[in-house]
Amino acid sequence: DGGITQSPKYLFRKEGQNVTLSCEQNLNHDAMYWYRQDPGQGLRLIYYSQIVNDFQKGDIAEGYSVSREKKESFPLTVTSAQKNPTAFYLCASRGGTWSTEAFFGQGTRLTVV
Amino acid sequence: AQKITQTQPGMFVQEKEAVTLDCTYDTSDPSYGLFWYKQPSSGEMIFLIYQGSYDQQNATEGRYSLNFQKARKSANLVISASQLGDSAMYFCAMREYQISGGGADGLTFGKGTHLIIQP
Repeated sequence: DGGITQSPKYLFRKEGQNVTLSCEQNLNHDAMYWYRQDPGQGLRLIYYSQIVNDFQKGDIAEGYSVSREKKESFPLTVTSAQKNPTAFYLCASRGGTWSTEAFFGQGTRLTVV
Repeated sequence: AQKITQTQPGMFVQEKEAVTLDCTYDTSDPSYGLFWYKQPSSGEMIFLIYQGSYDQQNATEGRYSLNFQKARKSANLVISASQLGDSAMYFCAMREYQISGGGADGLTFGKGTHLIIQP
């Protein structure tokens, strides 16, 4: 089945640690995105990548880093510089330039303990 | 200024009634797309319906329709004959295709409406 897989579903991190969230897609989509969702809020764009080996900052990139070494994979690292990392993280992908719908993964809930 | 505004934080509706969820947007790009997503308690985002800024007719997908009023910058979602399974968060979102001013790609979301369908 084609889709987007995020892992893990739940993640706990100690303060001061970096943690990496996985996002894999088998839809052959060029564009991939990371969003953050806080309770009672909509999604906010962290980073996006429109092609392999290229990515751009979104609205709230500070404290996060990404890589896009393969078309299928777009991992997100939450660094110790992110002051308030506890949130729900969603990965999405989209086909070509004129493709409309973005497909989302199931999300990763990150909690700092 | 917010680009997507959803003014209804929560709504209670009787089963089988029609529901209208409000969404207004703000953009200077002539080419844009408007989306509605459903987010059940499990957290995944489920795509419901899409309306392009140049589309002449309102979009429809089964029980979902989008009431697109371009001059008013309004893109309300209408759910006909609501069902208990429609209870969820609903988000309106926009993508600006020309990205004037060097803005980022990706969707801009509203804060959502929590819809509860009562039996």
